[in-house]
Formats: sequence, structure tokens, C-alpha cells
Amino acid sequence: RKEVEQDPGPFNVPEGATVAFNCTYSNSASQSFFWYRQDCRKEPKLLMSVYSSGNEDGRFTAQLNRASQYISLLIRDSKLSDSATYLCAVRLDDKIIFGKGTRLHILP
Amino acid sequence: DTGVSQDPRHKITKRGQNVTFRCDPISEHNRLYWYRQTLGQGPEFLTYFQNEAQLEKSRLLSDRFSAERPKGSFSTLEIQRTEQGDSAMYLCASSLKDHGYTFGSGTRLTVV
Repeated sequence: RKEVEQDPGPFNVPEGATVAFNCTYSNSASQSFFWYRQDCRKEPKLLMSVYSSGNEDGRFTAQLNRASQYISLLIRDSKLSDSATYLCAVRLDDKIIFGKGTRLHILP
Repeated sequence: DTGVSQDPRHKITKRGQNVTFRCDPISEHNRLYWYRQTLGQGPEFLTYFQNEAQLEKSRLLSDRFSAERPKGSFSTLEIQRTEQGDSAMYLCASSLKDHGYTFGSGTRLTVV
């Protein structure tokens, strides 16, 4: 079983819609959790950390369920500029392990 | 520039040649990481340093790969006797302990 699993997509979503991504991780000892955004042929950039209480940053909301080992990202009122690959990541033993990413295409 | 810098941005090499990449981290970050990413995959961990000490190496890092961070500042990643399977984006990242990473723009290696 892979350490971090995500649906690769692509998710094709009309502009203005709400979209949600899920991610599961296999190691219950994982210490912290992140969502990264990666544009085509660019480096990943930290979108947000994910906290047990859930956290929000503008149109983006992240949730963590430690019991189910599940992380989610919700994007509201999606914009064309949200089109990218979203990487789920967990910290384990001093390094961050990434999922394969979920591709999102926002359609005009 | 306060970000993570990688050099070169692109490298095309013939199979069997040696290549070396450089990473300059954010100056106050004591941790430096190397990852490899191929198309359709997430970044895969290769190795990391805390200051000048190399603390962990992935089993992905074969004997042909070596990384150094001699003064705890910049780092180099060398690949000897390159193979076509080494073609990938090599990403460097730096961080403070227990924080998220800041990635450099990567070095895209093509082995022909």
C-alpha cells in the first residue's frame, strides 16, 4: 500500500463550482500534513498546512481526520487560475512524503 | 533573492556521463532535501541534510548518486554513469525543522 494515496483525476470542473479532493495516508505515526500546488513543469508550492481542527484560507478549506487517516481539500468558487496539480503530503520521520497528485482543470 | 536556487535549470547529457547539480537553500534554513520527480508522479525523497550532516538516504539513491553539503550551506548532487532511467526533475527544498518545505525551481535532466 502506498504511503500517501490520491485520486489522480483529472477533475474537470466548471468555473465557480466547488471541488473537493481526498487523500489517505497509511502510517498512523505521520506527524503533520500539507497540501501543495504544482503548476505544469514548475516546482511544488506550499498551499496550506492541515490541522486537526480544520483550517481555512480564503476559498480553500483543509480537514484532517486522524482516526480515518484521511485529509481533504475543498476549493470554493473555483477560478480558472486554480487549474493545477494538488499534492497531498505528510511528514514522517523528518521528511515529507508526497502523493502522486490530483489534476484539476477549471473549465470556462 | 531569498528563495531556493538550483543550477542548472536544464541538463542534457549522454548516457554514461557524470552530472552535478547545485542547490543554494534559504540561508536561515538548516535542513536541505533532494527529491526526484518523473511525469505523473509526486516528488520522491532521495536524501536530506541537517546542516552539513547527511541524515538519511533513500534506497532510491543508488551507489551512482552522491550528495554533499560541505559547509552546511549549498549542496551538490552528483550522478555518475548516467542512465536513461535517471531522466527526471531533480528538486531541492529547504526548511526549518518541522516546517513545510520551500522548493527550488528544479533541474530537469534528460539522458540521451
